Amino acid sequence: ETGVTQTPRHLVMGMTNKKSLKCEQHLGHNAMYWYKQSAKKPLELMFVYSLEERVENNSVPSRFSPECPNSSHLFLHLHTLQPEDSALYLCASSQVGQSSYNEQFFGPGTRLTVL
Amino acid sequence: SQQGEEDPQALSIQEGENATMNCSYKTSINNLQWYRQNSGRGLVHLILIRSNEREKHSGRLRVTLDTSKKSSSLLITASRAADTASYFCATDRGDYKLSFGAGTTVTVRA
Repeated sequence: ETGVTQTPRHLVMGMTNKKSLKCEQHLGHNAMYWYKQSAKKPLELMFVYSLEERVENNSVPSRFSPECPNSSHLFLHLHTLQPEDSALYLCASSQVGQSSYNEQFFGPGTRLTVL
Repeated sequence: SQQGEEDPQALSIQEGENATMNCSYKTSINNLQWYRQNSGRGLVHLILIRSNEREKHSGRLRVTLDTSKKSSSLLITASRAADTASYFCATDRGDYKLSFGAGTTVTVRA
């Protein structure tokens, strides 16, 4: 596979469930990102892993927990979500560094519905 | 926090016409990027313009950047039905985090 892949593409879960979103990039990039996209709102950056450093958006609730075991894989662990967490969750990767311009490559997204 | 803001929010044009959308931002940037998103899918990078550039072309796309006004424009010439999508500007301040606007939804009528 090429580019950035995300699984699952669709997820319906109850508020008491625990689930994980998975992202994998095949581009050799050194940074990965989770975004939340809600209707009629700008993309909201949730988490960044870059050069083994995690940059966390302070407004992200603790019910979202990222994990980056290596530079190619990124997970978003979900637990006790709320209906307002229903959104499209996008993963992206990029090459960051002195000679890079941080063009980001996105996966197709996971459409999450919380009942 | 939101950095870029696109204008207009929505645009409907006839196939073959040009589409122009604008982006304004608030702080100094390293570069500005434009992305396209088809309904419910991931974003696709279209074009990047650096802060020391004023204009850039890629196929039917033309991007301008005016750092004194903190604004950019994206022009799509000779639009096609396949150009129907949402378009987002994103600013890069050099801290590897992009700030996206809410986007312009473009509909190209056949």
